[in-house]
Amino acid sequence: GAGVSQSPRYKVTKRGQDVALRCDPISGHVSLYWYRQALGQGPEFLTYFNYEAQQDKSGLPNDRFSAERPEGSISTLTIQRTEQRDSAMYRCASSPGPGRGYTFGSGTRLTVV
Amino acid sequence: AQKVTQAQTEISVVEKEDVTLDCVYETRDTTYYLFWYKQPPSGELVFLIRRNSFDEQNEISGRYSWNFQKSTSSFNFTITASQVVDSAVYFCALSGGAHSGTYKYIFGTGTRLKVLA
Repeated sequence: GAGVSQSPRYKVTKRGQDVALRCDPISGHVSLYWYRQALGQGPEFLTYFNYEAQQDKSGLPNDRFSAERPEGSISTLTIQRTEQRDSAMYRCASSPGPGRGYTFGSGTRLTVV
Repeated sequence: AQKVTQAQTEISVVEKEDVTLDCVYETRDTTYYLFWYKQPPSGELVFLIRRNSFDEQNEISGRYSWNFQKSTSSFNFTITASQVVDSAVYFCALSGGAHSGTYKYIFGTGTRLKVLA
């Protein structure tokens, strides 16, 4: 596609529910990144992939968070047993390769009530 | 450890004034990249510039200019003749090079720029 597409745009979920956030990167982009941005803060790194391989997951806060990119294109970030502190904007970005500038998606605003 | 500091939380200027946004970084990497992003009120993150650590030339793009100084670990951003449309939060970011094995960005906390008509 022309840009990085994320869905849903907004997600409200009850505490304890699982959520899956989807990212469709720019066609042909090898690298895909997930970030989380709390209100009034800069984005914080969660994880990144080159093709289907998860290269770095050091930013995932705990084992309730996981991500996959099984075919090297679309990626899903899953949060299990959501908690209120998980509420944030979740942003996906893609780049043509490692070290190249990112293009960010519009993000998914997650609210856990 | 890598760190980016944007000490200015919020700046207000009157239209047509020049304004400089400061960014100071810390890294032990010899090869690294620096970036600036703009986040307008609509919320998206818009890429402005990428600079690698070997290129200390200043860059100018229209009303925007960037001053990279390795000696002071700074990568400052100047908007000349500011306009109301420049009102946004601006983020500076740092990433490692190939040898570090990771390309995650470390973002600063952002500077909110308000340009008043």
